[in-house]
Formats: sequence, structure tokens, C-alpha cells
Amino acid sequence: QVQLQESGPGLVKPSQTLSLTCTVSGGSISSGGYYWSWIRQHPGKGLEWIGYIYYSGSTYYNPSLKSRVTISVDTSKNQFSLKLSSVTAADTAVYYCARALVVVSPSFDYWGQGTLVTVSS
Amino acid sequence: SYVLTQPPSVSVAPGQTARITCGGNNIGSKSVHWYQQKPGQAPVLVVYDDSDRPSGIPERFSGSNSGNTATLTISRVEAGDEADYYCQVWDSSSDPVVFGGGTKLTVL
Repeated sequence: QVQLQESGPGLVKPSQTLSLTCTVSGGSISSGGYYWSWIRQHPGKGLEWIGYIYYSGSTYYNPSLKSRVTISVDTSKNQFSLKLSSVTAADTAVYYCARALVVVSPSFDYWGQGTLVTVSS
Repeated sequence: SYVLTQPPSVSVAPGQTARITCGGNNIGSKSVHWYQQKPGQAPVLVVYDDSDRPSGIPERFSGSNSGNTATLTISRVEAGDEADYYCQVWDSSSDPVVFGGGTKLTVL
């Protein structure tokens, strides 16, 4: 059974960089075949896709966040990470990591439990 | 960018059938996925590729997709089905991952 677990600070100051890590268990990122994604949900709102990374390091980001987002992968630790720079209160959200099978139209079959990140001084 | 439109809310009595729609331009040409999200929990995939169910999802959950509307149908609705439901497509021509705004299903 694949499991994903987000970790990182729950409080980030404005203008700083939000950093989160997703640890994958029950499956290997380096085996390929999946997009490893970050998705966020503002309080009381819908889902917003942030971006994904493939095990090779190829990435694709939401154009609306692209200038501030970096997603990286560490296959030796079976982890992938999110960095979001220059955060504001508008980046306060629950951040999820999720897995999507690389097919013509991927869907997210496994999700982490989510972690709330609050941007506040 | 591609836009998916869902009704904000749908209400249904227990035992009845709930239908949640997801509108998009020529959405019938895309594969639509549906997620259920209960309060305080992560989303769960309930239907993928328009009408397929992941292992463990009850047969009461089904989907269809044609023209400009995709539909998630929940038969014999139970109190435990009360949740937010989101549709999602993969649109390679713009932002690859697009979610609908979500629909809150209330079981009366």
C-alpha cells in the first residue's frame, strides 16, 4: 500500500520561502511511471494544482505559480519537495502531495493527509 | 485555460440518486476524474476515466461524459456520502491539471 506523508513548518513568515517534503512509502519514486504532485487547498475553497515532477527530474508547474515554485526529487530518500518563494497570506492553505499514473489522462490515486501552512508574521 | 464548472451544492434524500455535473467545453473529448473529500480529509478518487471505479469504491458511484457535461451519479445515497466532490481533467493544451470548483453534496 502506497503512502505519502507531508512534512514541514506549519508557519511561515511573509516574503519567506515555504518548504515542504513528501515522503513516499510502499513504492519507489525511482521505478518511474508516476507524476509526483503538489496540490493545495485554500481554507474553505477548492483544489489548486501546483505542479509535478517525474523521477527523472522533469517538472511542470501551474503557470500562475511558476515564477515562485520549485519541485525537486531525492530518489535516494524516496522523497520529493516543494519550495514556494515570496509567500504572502494568500499562500495560506492545506498542501497535499499526491501521485498520478503516467497515462494519457492521469488521475491522482494516492494522496497524503495534507499539511496546513499558515503565512503570518 | 480550460475551465470546469460545477454547481456549488446538490441536495438529496437518503436512498435517492444524486447527480453532480461538471461542465466544460467539449469535455466529452477528455477523460474526467472525480474525487470525494470529507471534512478534514484528503480527497479520494472515486471515478476515473469518466466511468471506471478504483478498487474499494462502491458500485453506487458511476460516471458518464458526453458533449459539454460530465456527470457523477451516486445511487442509493447514504449519509456517509455527504462530502465535497471535485471533477478533474488533464488538459495538455493549457494547465495540464484542472479541477472543478467543487460541489457540496448534502444528504437531507
